[in-house]
Amino acid sequence: DIQMTQSPSSVSAFVGGRVTITCRASQYIATWLAWYQQKPGKVPKLLIYSASNLQGGVPSRFSGSGSGTNFTLTISSLQPEDFATYYCQQTDSFPLTFGGGTKVEIK
Amino acid sequence: QVQVVESGGGLVKPGGSLRLSCAASGFTFSDYYMNWIRQGPGKGLEWVSYISNGGGYTKYADSVRGRFTISRDNAENSLYLQMDSLRTEDTALYYCVRSPIGFGELFSLWGRGTLVTVSS
Repeated sequence: DIQMTQSPSSVSAFVGGRVTITCRASQYIATWLAWYQQKPGKVPKLLIYSASNLQGGVPSRFSGSGSGTNFTLTISSLQPEDFATYYCQQTDSFPLTFGGGTKVEIK
Repeated sequence: QVQVVESGGGLVKPGGSLRLSCAASGFTFSDYYMNWIRQGPGKGLEWVSYISNGGGYTKYADSVRGRFTISRDNAENSLYLQMDSLRTEDTALYYCVRSPIGFGELFSLWGRGTLVTVSS
């Protein structure tokens, strides 16, 4: 099974600040990676697929990059509605696996 | 309205069984691959199972293989998860999730979930 490791587990930032979250796969997955956002009490929302493709309706301040085993999600200018937990997920092979999540909090 | 709505959760003793259902509406259910994903209390996301649009292809997480069975009835626009030999670690909110067409490993439409509690 492919293990997904996210870091940090939590991060604090100011509104308007820049946040970068890292996701590492335990083996090569090319660009078969997705990112999800989950706000408290809400269901997860697909943000990015194939490592860097923005899902429709997702603001352009979100971006994804990486390939192989190392990936990043960047929020360029944090907005109040972006405070949430973010998960990466490998879409390379079954069983599908998620990272442990990164909680983005207000500083 | 495009949505999926789960039902069937509840309190069950270890070793017991439960059958979850998911009712789909607002889209052509038979076109889409479907999944069950769960989230333990205060925990992260765990993919549980997947079924192809026709129902002929299924996959399971190692943690549930041999205990859980996914199925669907396209005529009834419904997805199911039969859960047997339940363990306390199966306690979670279970989401019914649709994959986008052509992207069977992505999760784009989520239900609100149904809570399963396994406890004596």
